[in-house]
Amino acid sequence: EPEVTQTPSHQVTQMGQEVILRCVPISNHLYFYWYRQILGQKVEFLVSFYNNEISEKSEIFDDQFSVERPDGSNFTLKIRSTKLEDSAMYFCARGGQDSGYTFGSGTRLTVV
Amino acid sequence: AQRVTQPEKLLSVFKGAPVELKCNYSYSGSPELFWYVQYSRQRLQLLLRHISRESIKGFTADLNKGETSFHLKKPFAQEEDSAMYYCALYTDKLIFGTGTRLQVFP
Repeated sequence: EPEVTQTPSHQVTQMGQEVILRCVPISNHLYFYWYRQILGQKVEFLVSFYNNEISEKSEIFDDQFSVERPDGSNFTLKIRSTKLEDSAMYFCARGGQDSGYTFGSGTRLTVV
Repeated sequence: AQRVTQPEKLLSVFKGAPVELKCNYSYSGSPELFWYVQYSRQRLQLLLRHISRESIKGFTADLNKGETSFHLKKPFAQEEDSAMYYCALYTDKLIFGTGTRLQVFP
């Protein structure tokens, strides 16, 4: 199966700025996920997206976060007003139960 | 509560030594368990899934429902096995353990 590609690989942004992390291309999967990994910490679930709707979100995924699938292939995570503590690796993934997830290469977000 | 526990943050062994990375889970339903590996600053890669009972890169993992464990084992560690290893439980999403860093010294 084709890999999950994320862009950019690294983004530096100032606190309070909006960032959009992209996951491209996506094959014809229905299930997508965003996870984040703060440096040195565990991989944390953010949100799951099924059939173009959010199916579940964690407490981390507050009003500052949003996800979209704007054109049927790209899958984006938007952080409206970044905070220092948003600095992390963000991974998108596709997949389901039996096959496990296929993760993207990640975007390293650094908020300064 | 659904939880995955990996008690060891770091496991250091010499090349050729056996390796066991521990994973315990808490889940009331029938568990679907996975091991993921993350080489230095790379993506998470699926290593094993318990339903397929496969051996990848010499690693195996057996689900023990009585002990609620899914330990990852390899009889002879190689230097290229050095990485972070994450045990994960699938419920309606993947829940990861905190990970174990495996260091294999020459």
